[in-house]
Amino acid sequence: EVFLLESGGSLVQPGGSLRLSCEASGFTFSNFAMSWVRQGPEKRLEWVSGISNSGYSKYYADSVRGRFTISRDNSRNTVFLQMNSLRDEDTAVYYCVKEMGAHGEPVFEYWGQGNLVTVSS
Amino acid sequence: DIQMTQSPSSLSASVGDRVTITCRASQTIGNHLNWYQQKPGKAPNLLIYVASNLQSGVPSRFSGSGSGTDFTLTISSLQPEDSATYYCQHRSGTPPTFGQGTKVEIK
Repeated sequence: EVFLLESGGSLVQPGGSLRLSCEASGFTFSNFAMSWVRQGPEKRLEWVSGISNSGYSKYYADSVRGRFTISRDNSRNTVFLQMNSLRDEDTAVYYCVKEMGAHGEPVFEYWGQGNLVTVSS
Repeated sequence: DIQMTQSPSSLSASVGDRVTITCRASQTIGNHLNWYQQKPGKAPNLLIYVASNLQSGVPSRFSGSGSGTDFTLTISSLQPEDSATYYCQHRSGTPPTFGQGTKVEIK
């Protein structure tokens, strides 16, 4: 059974930083791309960032490019999202997502339980 | 970015009804379209991928069709457990974007 255990979400002030982690189990982690998708208070789903199975290719939404960094450690079956210069509009539930393939053309096959990030002073 | 527009935004139907949700892309995306179901307080769940492929474990009353810019999710016989919000998502290039969601309620 696929399981994605997220951690790292909390309340942070504008301009602050957070690092989200997602530990995966139940599949061969190094064979699949991973993404982060967020859902804000208005319930719109927004893809944030994705990383290929090897970690070589990384992709970002325009809204976070230059502020967020995605990475993965295949030896630890873990994907990370480093979030810097956080803004009020980054407030959302952040989902770690396993993609169906190794890279590109994402199908979001399995989702974690979600991790709340609140940016507020 | 490709914009995805769903209609209707919400609907109310009876158990056993046939329900259809439409998703339109702002430019042609071939068959690169996925559908998800989200229940309150839960993460989204993949229903249909690449327009018409049923994800493993999803009941056969769910089906998807379409290509180009116009796509449809159909529930052939609505069940009480189908009360949820449904989202489409394109996978034709970066960024992948989602529709705004269609909330399905049971009468």
